[in-house]
This record gives sequence, C-alpha cells and structure tokens, in this order.
Amino acid sequence: NAGVTQTPKFRILKIGQSMTLQCTQDMNHNYMYWYRQDPGMGLKLIYYSVGAGITDKGEVPNGYNVSRSTTEDFPLRLELAAPSQTSVYFCASSPGLAGAETQYFGPGTRLLVL
Amino acid sequence: GQQVMQIPQYQHVQEGEDFTTYCNSSTTLSNIQWYKQRPGGHPVFLIQLVKSGEVKKQKRLTFQFGEAKKNSSLHITATQTTDVGTYFCAGRLYYSGGGADGLTFGKGTHLIIQP
Repeated sequence: NAGVTQTPKFRILKIGQSMTLQCTQDMNHNYMYWYRQDPGMGLKLIYYSVGAGITDKGEVPNGYNVSRSTTEDFPLRLELAAPSQTSVYFCASSPGLAGAETQYFGPGTRLLVL
Repeated sequence: GQQVMQIPQYQHVQEGEDFTTYCNSSTTLSNIQWYKQRPGGHPVFLIQLVKSGEVKKQKRLTFQFGEAKKNSSLHITATQTTDVGTYFCAGRLYYSGGGADGLTFGKGTHLIIQP
C-alpha cells in the first residue's frame, strides 16, 4: 500500500491563479481531510469528507473547495490564490471518525503564492 | 471557540535530559491523540488515550490523560537526537459546519536537542 499520496510536492502560484491539490489513498478509508499548516504552527482543518459524495467545512474553509467523487480521491481546489494561502497542505485519511481512529497523513504539498 | 492549547511552544534540552509537553482543552474531550512531526515531514500518529486518568507508555515515552479529560501530557525520558521534532496533541470536537467529527490540533511543541 502506498498509503496517502499527494501531488504536487511543491508549487509556486501567482496571485489570482487557480490550482488543484491532488490527494489519493489506497486504504479504502471512508474519512478524508485537508489541513493547512502555517510555519511554526499547528494544523487547521479546511474541509473533510465522510464518504464519497459527502463533504463538509472545517475550521478554515474560505478560499477553498473540495469534491469527493470516489472513495480514493479528495482533491482540494484553490480558485483565486492569495498570499495568505501560502502554507503546507496535508491530506489525511482514517477508516472511521477522526479522534476515534488513527489519521494517516500524506507527505504534504508546499504552496507559495506570490 | 473550542480550543486545544499546548505548552511550551519551544523546548531546548540537552541530550539525555527529560522533556514534557502539556495539552489543555477548553472543553471535555472524548479522547486525545498525539502525533510527531519530524522537520520537513508529515505528522505521524503516536498514540490515542480514551479513558479518564489513562497512562500509556511506549519505551521512553509516557502519555497521560487527565481525570477530567481536559488535559494530557507527553513525557520523554532521557531524550535522544532521534526525538527531535514537533509533538502535537489533537482532540476530538465538533465543527459548526456539520454533524460529523474532526480533530483540533494544538500548535505543537518544538523539541530541540543540543548534543
């Protein structure tokens, strides 16, 4: 099993550009999450999904969109990139409820918006 | 809003000294998880505590969950250079956006070890 994979590893965007961060897991987990981690800080939940077709907002959803058409994939979309979105983005998955079961994290995508 | 607070933010220790990080929640937690993140890496699950007053050990690491289930601690005995990284606690709480659950992470404690 590859676990949780994320692409790209690193990206530079100009203000106003859009991009999609990809996340795939091969563990057949129902729950998937997107977090952002600002330098020296903890993780903040952007969006999460409890299964294909079901998504919901986390703590900091503004400026992002998600979709979950399959169990395996949970892409994160930035429509109009802003410097405040410079961060490291982690995707994670768990077989059940976060906090009830282990979350498995991907390697992260480092995003720089200039 | 509901928060999970972690102290200290940074901790410098000499190799071989002990290290402790503390996690406090403004509300009762159903359980708490601890993660370790190496520099440049991603968070890796260490352990989960569920019961009030629970204590778990992993080699030199000791994890405690408070009686009121509002606080937790991680203690490392005789630190080694491999312990370098950021230690996060994460508690389960509800988000206003929906009915499902999520984890709220503390800001982490950065452990810096001087040889």
